[in-house]
Amino acid sequence: DSGVTQTPKHLITATGQRVTLRCSPRSGDLSVYWYQQSLDQGLQFLIQYYNGEERAKGNILERFSAQQFPDLHSELNLSSLELGDSALYFCASSAAGTSGYEQYFGPGTRLTVT
Amino acid sequence: AQSVTQLDSHVSVSEGTPVLLRCNYSSSYSPSLFWYVQHPNKGLQLLLKYTSAATLVKGINGFEAEFKKSETSFHLTKPSAHMSDAAEYFCVVSGYSSASKIIFGSGTRLSIRP
Repeated sequence: DSGVTQTPKHLITATGQRVTLRCSPRSGDLSVYWYQQSLDQGLQFLIQYYNGEERAKGNILERFSAQQFPDLHSELNLSSLELGDSALYFCASSAAGTSGYEQYFGPGTRLTVT
Repeated sequence: AQSVTQLDSHVSVSEGTPVLLRCNYSSSYSPSLFWYVQHPNKGLQLLLKYTSAATLVKGINGFEAEFKKSETSFHLTKPSAHMSDAAEYFCVVSGYSSASKIIFGSGTRLSIRP
């Protein structure tokens, strides 16, 4: 158990809808990272937050947004969902704000868009 | 710019024989390098990391990796494969600055034959 929790575990929704994925980092970790894993694109870094502030951006679509709250949990919002957004979404946390430190991954949220 | 290449998408070995998963990286500065493992339907787990200390890094479950700057490689090895090692393995390169992005390789699926 990494200490990172993600909810929900599974999510099934229709095209055009909006969903929110939630992540709680390990106790004491200030950084949260979001990743998308799909069969055709592999594992892609989406965005990083550090202590409430956006720190780095990867291949995140404009339809997606994230935030980190004062209690350090984070939410990833996905809107105007398309079939291609079906994927496993992982959250990871690390102690520091720079990416040279190991990350601890949650179990993921499997999103299915129908 | 940074990049990482996992040279084999699939490796199959017999139980009890050595494992070699190959990773080459490209970085304009001294990188941090990681290997993560992902078992089916699970999140990623850190196996080991290199952060400019000893070039031979020992990780969990008997895995180790050697950083070879001259060859820009960070291959993962294990002397004797176990059935429980069957999983997807990701080589990851990153840097220490706040602007560094974390880059995941495309993954190597390791199969173990009984």
